[in-house]
Amino acid sequence: SQQGEEDPQALSIQEGENATMNCSYKTSINNLQWYRQNSGRGLVHLILIRSNEREKHSGRLRVTLDTSKKSSSLLITASRAADTASYFCATGSFLPSGTYKYIFGTGTRLKVLA
Amino acid sequence: DTEVTQTPKHLVMGMTNKKSLKCEQHMGHRAMYWYKQKAKKPPELMFVYSYEKLSINESVPSRFSPECPNSSLLNLHLHALQPEDSALYLCASSQTGIYRYTFGSGTRLTVV
Repeated sequence: SQQGEEDPQALSIQEGENATMNCSYKTSINNLQWYRQNSGRGLVHLILIRSNEREKHSGRLRVTLDTSKKSSSLLITASRAADTASYFCATGSFLPSGTYKYIFGTGTRLKVLA
Repeated sequence: DTEVTQTPKHLVMGMTNKKSLKCEQHMGHRAMYWYKQKAKKPPELMFVYSYEKLSINESVPSRFSPECPNSSLLNLHLHALQPEDSALYLCASSQTGIYRYTFGSGTRLTVV
């Protein structure tokens, strides 16, 4: 399988705590993205980090990328109950048609307890 | 309009039924995708359309038949499905040359 691996598979924390999830991938990349999925519905794009970047912030999200280890982490600070969702990392490649094919990681199911 | 709209949201069908899933976007995206997602698994690519032409078929069984009648609409026709085809079916679109999708909220399909 070309899927990236994420750990932990599931994470349960108290509101206000930080949540960290990790993603490992197998091939060289141009960028890595993180998506969020609420209750088995559509995926929402959170953040993109390019291969020449090591860290990126967006609000309460912090993403790091270590291309030498082929790994990335997503940190959610001061978590809220509304952050309860599944989080997927995604790498991909352009196809000849100009379309883009994602390979998603296995996902981390985050539960934030109020 | 920055959304991808999928209908229906839920579908229950028998193994002898024929049904269709619909996906619509009005963002001018010329790339459209179907993904299948089983419970607690990541989405897996099924089909890719580029400028209304089928670009990729990821070895999907013929009981799934995609159609792109115009640049805004993508259908997935279903026939003689099996219970193991029960899943969340996600549609997405993107601008060509851009590596970011907009996903629809999905159709949860149950085959009985």
